[in-house]
Amino acid sequence: GAGVSQSPSNKVTEKGKDVELRCDPISGHTALYWYRQSLGQGLEFLIYFQGNSAPDKSGLPSDRFSAERTGGSVSTLTIQRTQQEDSAVYLCASSLRWRTNTGELFFGEGSRLTVL
Amino acid sequence: DAKTTQPNSMESNEEEPVHLPCNHSTISGTDYIHWYRQLPSQGPEYVIHGLTSNVNNRMASLAIAEDRKSSTLILHRATLRDAAVYYCTTTFNTDKLIFGTGTRLQVFP
Repeated sequence: GAGVSQSPSNKVTEKGKDVELRCDPISGHTALYWYRQSLGQGLEFLIYFQGNSAPDKSGLPSDRFSAERTGGSVSTLTIQRTQQEDSAVYLCASSLRWRTNTGELFFGEGSRLTVL
Repeated sequence: DAKTTQPNSMESNEEEPVHLPCNHSTISGTDYIHWYRQLPSQGPEYVIHGLTSNVNNRMASLAIAEDRKSSTLILHRATLRDAAVYYCTTTFNTDKLIFGTGTRLQVFP
């Protein structure tokens, strides 16, 4: 498919375990975003990658959260020592334009994380 | 405070027009206003965006106030498939869209 692909679609883990969430953006899209959506809430910005520039990590809630983007394409969001409050849907989006201000974001269907 | 403000929920009957309001009083002069919608169990999808002038596309129309502190998304004839959470969002002079909690639209047959 040509859309943003995320895996796994569902992940159940025990408190204290580490998890990795993967995002495959649309080919050629230079910008990649991670958002988090807790139950019944809006989207909370986590991190933004643009080309080879340093990522904007201003939304990461704690140092347990990290993300990388390899080769300007696939991105992995890692959560270490998961806590119950990390339970949420993690959404990835990509954009063709350098600045989101004028461009359209294409979202994946998300990875639902449940921490027991 | 850099955020958009929308009503929590709205209702409409099928085939009637729907006007979804949004306040963004702290928007900067170069920030575009974007609308996305999220169907159940899906990621958000783009609806429309604009800067100053009103915009139309196949999905909806966007009416932007002259002072740009508010905007209205217009669905000309609501269908059951339009039931979703609608997000009004902008970048507030950053490189990322800042989303609020959105408006949950219910459409009744």
